Amino acid sequence: QLVQSGAAVKRTGAAVKVSCKASGDSFTYRYLHWVRQAPGQALEWMGWITPSNGDTQYAQKVQDRLTITWDRSMTTAYMELSSLRSEDTAMYYCARSPYLGDEIDIWGQGTLVTVSS
Amino acid sequence: QPVLIQPPSSSASPGESARLTCTLPSGINVVGYNIYWYQQKPGSPPRYLLYYHSDSDKGQGSGVPSRFSGSKDVSANTGILVISGVQSDDEADYYCMIWPGNTSVFGGGTKLTVL
Repeated sequence: QLVQSGAAVKRTGAAVKVSCKASGDSFTYRYLHWVRQAPGQALEWMGWITPSNGDTQYAQKVQDRLTITWDRSMTTAYMELSSLRSEDTAMYYCARSPYLGDEIDIWGQGTLVTVSS
Repeated sequence: QPVLIQPPSSSASPGESARLTCTLPSGINVVGYNIYWYQQKPGSPPRYLLYYHSDSDKGQGSGVPSRFSGSKDVSANTGILVISGVQSDDEADYYCMIWPGNTSVFGGGTKLTVL
């Protein structure tokens, strides 16, 4: 199960950090992904982290502003997006896949991030 | 990032079959890829439905009815989601996804309306 932090409202240019608490054994969460969805728009994959060693991979579109981390003691993943723009307003989902290249099959409930000036 | 093309909308009457397509860009051959399909209803996260690579390599998501199935049209470089015996509860947005390397990409989504 993946439980995310609550909604956030941020100013343009600020940063946002969203958490994703994972419950279950570590095998279940080999790869944790972040996917976002702007209002009325399609899903957009942003990046993944593998909790076992902290390796990450980011989508080219956001790679300069995105940082995904893992806190082993809290079994929690974090997604930090900096230099926020209005177009970053979206629902942000964390989700898992059992292996790289596999289905993303367990999803968090989503966190709404609103960016305004 | 490659762009997966999905028709914005589709419709079907209850009991009919719906055929939703996902066209890969030239340069990415559908033959070599698993095509993953997701269903999303308003206010909910996506739900994983299934993946299709070939008739001998495919998988169904947990609890997903067998009336949801996948296929490919190799000549059109397209992945296909077929929903047999469409029900009113199938009205939703449907997204395809592939893994071109270590990154993933979703299609633009198709809104299925049940008439």
